[in-house]
Amino acid sequence: QSVLTQPASVSGSPGQSITISCTGTSSDVGDVGTFNYVSWYQQLPGKAPKLMIFDVSNRPSGVSDRFSGSKSGNTASLTISGLQAGDEAEYYCSSYITGDTLGVFGGGTKLTVL
Amino acid sequence: QLQLQESVPGPVKPSETLSLTCTVSGGSISTSSYYWGWIRQPPGKGLEWIGRIYYSGSTYYNPSLKSRVTLSVDPSKNQFSLKLSSVTAADTAVYYCATLERYYFSLDYWGQGTLVTVSS
Repeated sequence: QSVLTQPASVSGSPGQSITISCTGTSSDVGDVGTFNYVSWYQQLPGKAPKLMIFDVSNRPSGVSDRFSGSKSGNTASLTISGLQAGDEAEYYCSSYITGDTLGVFGGGTKLTVL
Repeated sequence: QLQLQESVPGPVKPSETLSLTCTVSGGSISTSSYYWGWIRQPPGKGLEWIGRIYYSGSTYYNPSLKSRVTLSVDPSKNQFSLKLSSVTAADTAVYYCATLERYYFSLDYWGQGTLVTVSS
């Protein structure tokens, strides 16, 4: 059982927007006082995960601006706008945990583009 | 642009020790920017941290695996390594090496992953 809770699946049609949530406890995602170290990863079938968002809402160079991140309280969110077939993948959130220098992963969300 | 490449393991039988090496190219492993980490993913399941090591040799292990894991680093070869002892079928997974950015705790670069199957 993951410390960070994600929906098992979400779906959307091409061109639409979807949001994937990642809910944690106050000691990780919601530790507003010190940390905003939420990151999101995209894992295409048979491939290694790829960093899509770091520090809640920052995109690494080369990641499309269709991907955006946010956080409110104990829930972080990944929004993908203008859905494309190539976005179909598993998405994982990750966050620092107070007192632990590895961090934890969410259980993953499978995005299906209809 | 860093590139990471896991070694291809030999067959691993139950109770034996799994050994993997990650070779880093495109940059030095002796950088202050990253920890060097191992993550695994059982077939059809999610991601699990194994542990991370700094170029100085300091380590942090997943408490659930700590008794069986040893990480090491060889700056002269730009490599870091994983040993997991007393393996069982439950350790069958794709093993990834990755960089853990020290400030944001983001996994910036990943190896392609290598499947380790524990079987008699």
